Amino acid sequence: KAGVTQTPRYLIKTRGQQVTLSCSPISGHRSVSWYQQTPGQGLQFLFEYFSETQRNKGNFPGRFSGRQFSNSRSEMNVSTLELGDSALYLCASSLRGSSYNEQFFGPGTRLTVL
Amino acid sequence: GENVEQHPSTLSVQEGDSAVIKCTYSDSASNYFPWYKQELGKGPQLIIDIRSNVGEKKDQRIAVTLNKTAKHFSLHITETQPEDSAVYFCAARGGDGGTALIFGKGTTLSVSS
Repeated sequence: KAGVTQTPRYLIKTRGQQVTLSCSPISGHRSVSWYQQTPGQGLQFLFEYFSETQRNKGNFPGRFSGRQFSNSRSEMNVSTLELGDSALYLCASSLRGSSYNEQFFGPGTRLTVL
Repeated sequence: GENVEQHPSTLSVQEGDSAVIKCTYSDSASNYFPWYKQELGKGPQLIIDIRSNVGEKKDQRIAVTLNKTAKHFSLHITETQPEDSAVYFCAARGGDGGTALIFGKGTTLSVSS
């Protein structure tokens, strides 16, 4: 069974631009969560989508948004990029998204903001 | 909200030794505690997890223990090998029905041969 895939793997943008990252979960998984990983803050939860609905949101500004499609694929968007948005963005999928479900991570998208 | 502390931040052991990483959490309602291993250039890989109704779980050379009263859990790796070298993260998930994982800051484990 294929794992979680994320595209693109690397991205370079400049301040003020916007970016869209894509995540395809494991086949059959309906929940997709997004995390930001930085050296200073570690892994931080952004939001979770289940059946095309945002179920949970972390403490990030409104510039960070996402959506999920009927095939469970998800995208996250960051508008008006800031230097501090440079990070590894990780997507994780789980079967049903309940509290006990394991989350499996993709390889991440490395975003660099210049 | 939930807060997870992880120690030590770095750990160096000789091949064949044991390694122990400890985490504490703040929310007594947390009910699920996974451990992830992250190698350079890769996403975190789930290596073992434990639920709040279990005190210990073992999978070959890896074991996790949970003390709900003290709100701490630990990862034990026995007979370490150079390929165990990586960054290890503990995490906790709250009992509010949500799925967000709160992560510790990570432990860089180095196993020298």
